[in-house]
Amino acid sequence: QVQLHESGPGLVKPSETLSLTCTVSGVSIRSYYWSWVRQPPGKELEWIGYNFNSGSTKYNPSLMSRVTISIDTSKSQFSLELTSVTAADTAVYYCASSYCSSNSCYFDHWGPGTLVTVSS
Amino acid sequence: AIQLTQSPSSLSASIGDRVIISCRASQDISSALAWYQQKPGKAPKFLIYDVSTLDTGVPSRFSGSGSGTHFTLTISSLQPEDFATYYCQQFNGFPPTFGGGTRVEIK
Repeated sequence: QVQLHESGPGLVKPSETLSLTCTVSGVSIRSYYWSWVRQPPGKELEWIGYNFNSGSTKYNPSLMSRVTISIDTSKSQFSLELTSVTAADTAVYYCASSYCSSNSCYFDHWGPGTLVTVSS
Repeated sequence: AIQLTQSPSSLSASIGDRVIISCRASQDISSALAWYQQKPGKAPKFLIYDVSTLDTGVPSRFSGSGSGTHFTLTISSLQPEDFATYYCQQFNGFPPTFGGGTRVEIK
């Protein structure tokens, strides 16, 4: 059974870099597309991007210039980096396993989520 | 990006009621639609993909239908554990996008 768990700082200062890690268990990290999805308080869900097998990445065009998703297969972890954050990046961040076609994905297993607040 | 509009944004229903939630896409997405259930403070739970295929373990009182631009999620007999917010999500166009959610509350 796929299990995911996010970890990282809950508070990030404006203009700094948000960094989160998702630890995967129950499945080989080489077997899935791995996505990050976020949800600002009281708002809808937004897909951030995915990485597959450490080589194929796709990012939401709205965030593409600031996002990097990477995989560490030795630790069965994948990570999110979001640069130059502002208050608009305050959200609950979820990691998720994904089924993806050539251009899009759905998400079958989710981590519990972690709230990241951007504030000085 | 493809926009998904859910209606209603919230509804009140009683145990045993039949509940129908609508999701409309801004363009044809064929059958590339999924549904999720989210309870307060929890992650979304995957329910349905390809419009009508239930994920493993999802009760049969949940069903999905539609094609093209109009889709529905039906709960045939609402149970106490079904009170939650439901989101549709399209995976035909890039990027994948979610609807605004429908909150199902106790009447």
